[in-house]
Amino acid sequence: AQTVTQSQPEMSVQEAETVTLSCTYDTSESDYYLFWYKQPPSRQMILVIRQEAYKQQNATENRFSVNFQKAAKSFSLKISDSQLGDAAMYFCASSTGANSKLTFGKGITLSVRP
Amino acid sequence: EAGVTQSPTHLIKTRGQQATLRCSPISGHTSVYWYQQALGLGLQFLLWYDEGEERNRGNFPPRFSGRQFPNYSSELNVNALELEDSALYLCASSIRVMNTEAFFGQGTRLTVV
Repeated sequence: AQTVTQSQPEMSVQEAETVTLSCTYDTSESDYYLFWYKQPPSRQMILVIRQEAYKQQNATENRFSVNFQKAAKSFSLKISDSQLGDAAMYFCASSTGANSKLTFGKGITLSVRP
Repeated sequence: EAGVTQSPTHLIKTRGQQATLRCSPISGHTSVYWYQQALGLGLQFLLWYDEGEERNRGNFPPRFSGRQFPNYSSELNVNALELEDSALYLCASSIRVMNTEAFFGQGTRLTVV
């Protein structure tokens, strides 16, 4: 079974600053994938970034990057140059090739201060 | 290109009734997933359909059921509604498996009174 843990329920960041959202996971599979999703007030879940477990290089998408520590089973999201539009709920998630479903953490609410 | 569409946007039912939620995936996507997002509980996996068949099921009672049609659209049915079924129900679609990018709809807010 997979588990995903997001222990921080809320975080706040000043506009233009950098913030890191934490996530840990547990899985017995060797082939798995990790994701960060953003859910703004519109409720639509949007994929922010995706990491294949077999890749050592950390994924990067513009201002978003991850710190993937496989041995520690840690997958944190760094948002650089935070913008007001980054305010949302962020979910960490994992999936395996076997069952395909996404297992989500409980999410973290990020607020951005102008 | 149209995204994942869900209907209705909001649904209010009384306890004991049945609710039917609908989802149309992105064109070319064969897999449809249903998730329940209840307040404070995060997203819980409900069902996965692919090529018309149920492929995986979450830890939910049998009164949660669904189906996938030949055009890959899907229905989620919840029978004998209970107050705790009140939640946002999200549908997602992907090309075959979730390890590729999955796209979510905006959800159906179900309220049971």
